Amino acid sequence: SYELTQPPSVSVSPGQTASITCSGDKLGEKYACWYQQKPGQSPVLVIHQDSKRPSGIPERFSGSNSGNTATLTISGTQAMDEADYYCQAWDSSTAIFGGGTKLTVL
Amino acid sequence: QVQLVQSGSELKKPGASVKVSCKASGYTFNSYAMNWVRQAPGQGLEWMGWINTNTGNPTYAQGFTGRFVFSLDTSVSTAYLQISSLKAEDTAIYYCAKVAAAGEWFDPWGQGTLVTVSS
Repeated sequence: SYELTQPPSVSVSPGQTASITCSGDKLGEKYACWYQQKPGQSPVLVIHQDSKRPSGIPERFSGSNSGNTATLTISGTQAMDEADYYCQAWDSSTAIFGGGTKLTVL
Repeated sequence: QVQLVQSGSELKKPGASVKVSCKASGYTFNSYAMNWVRQAPGQGLEWMGWINTNTGNPTYAQGFTGRFVFSLDTSVSTAYLQISSLKAEDTAIYYCAKVAAAGEWFDPWGQGTLVTVSS
């Protein structure tokens, strides 16, 4: 079955750029999206169709997808961005989530 | 605005059943599929499947066949998840999530319903 692999944790200093990767076989041939989940809250879509930001999502969130890797980039990371991030794609009519990455801003 | 409001937390004994509701508002309910996602304590997101809100036809992911049933009441724009023969490992937060127009991503999500299975 298809799998999406994310690093369990990423750390970044405030104001710096955070990059979270999501790897899967030929992932670049699919659309990837990203969700942010803060403690005790439901997931929120931050990127869809590889690189598109929904209304209300700050410009510091961006995405890319090529080859086997999709990347979520947060420029000028703020303390409020500390959260779990999940990538998601579809394979054979099945929605697949990555295992999640805990972003720590310190 | 588009909103999904789920029913409250449930505490059930092993072997019992539970029915979680997800009431939609702010859009045409039967125009967009509804998905269900499970999140066990401290774990990641796991897709359970979806229901076609136009035809009522459900599709279940691997591992969610048999004891899990998706249903609808279109008259009140509500989707339901029923789990029977509950086990301790069913303890989790269950989310409903509306699929987007293009069908590729989930937005928005309900606030989640915690189902606790304990004797």
